[in-house]
Amino acid sequence: EVQLVESGGGLVQPGGSLRLSCVASGFTFSSYWMSWVRQAPGKGLEWVANIKQDGSEKYYVDSVKGRFTISRDNAKNSLYLQMDSLRGEDAAVYYCARRQMVMAATLVYYFDYWGQGTLVTVSS
Amino acid sequence: AIQMTQSPSSLSASVGDRVTITCRASQGIRNDLGWYQQKPGKAPKLLIYAASSLQSGVPSRFSGSGSGTEFTLSISSLQPEDFATYYCLEGARTFGQGTKVEIK
Repeated sequence: EVQLVESGGGLVQPGGSLRLSCVASGFTFSSYWMSWVRQAPGKGLEWVANIKQDGSEKYYVDSVKGRFTISRDNAKNSLYLQMDSLRGEDAAVYYCARRQMVMAATLVYYFDYWGQGTLVTVSS
Repeated sequence: AIQMTQSPSSLSASVGDRVTITCRASQGIRNDLGWYQQKPGKAPKLLIYAASSLQSGVPSRFSGSGSGTEFTLSISSLQPEDFATYYCLEGARTFGQGTKVEIK
């Protein structure tokens, strides 16, 4: 059974830092792109960052570029999100998600498994 | 960047109703579109991928259609457990704004 378990959320002051972790099990972690997706309270879903299987490619939504860093440790089946210079608008539930890719007429991408989420609160 | 416009933002329906939700892409995305269901306090759940492929374990009353810029999620006969918020997702990158399906 595929499982993704996030941790590391909490209360942080504006300008502070936090490191989120996601431990994966039930599949070959090193074979998949992984992602972080967030959801501000009462708002919609927003993709935050992607990382390739070997960590050699990383992509971010514009609003977090230069402040957030996605990384992974395949030996530990773990995904991370280092969040620096946090702002009020970064407050959200952060989900770890596995990115799937299939050929269906064309290559298509989607998130097929999600963790339960970890809450980040940014407040003084 | 591609933008996804989802409509309506909310709707009220009764058990047994047919429900349709639409997503429009700002440019052609072929069939690179998924649909998700989210209930309060829970992670999103994948319903449809590649615009029309039903994810394993998802009831057949859910269906997806479309390609290019216009996509539709349909629920053929709304069940009590279907009251939730639905999101489209382009290319594992851009989400629609969501559609909240409420009880009439």
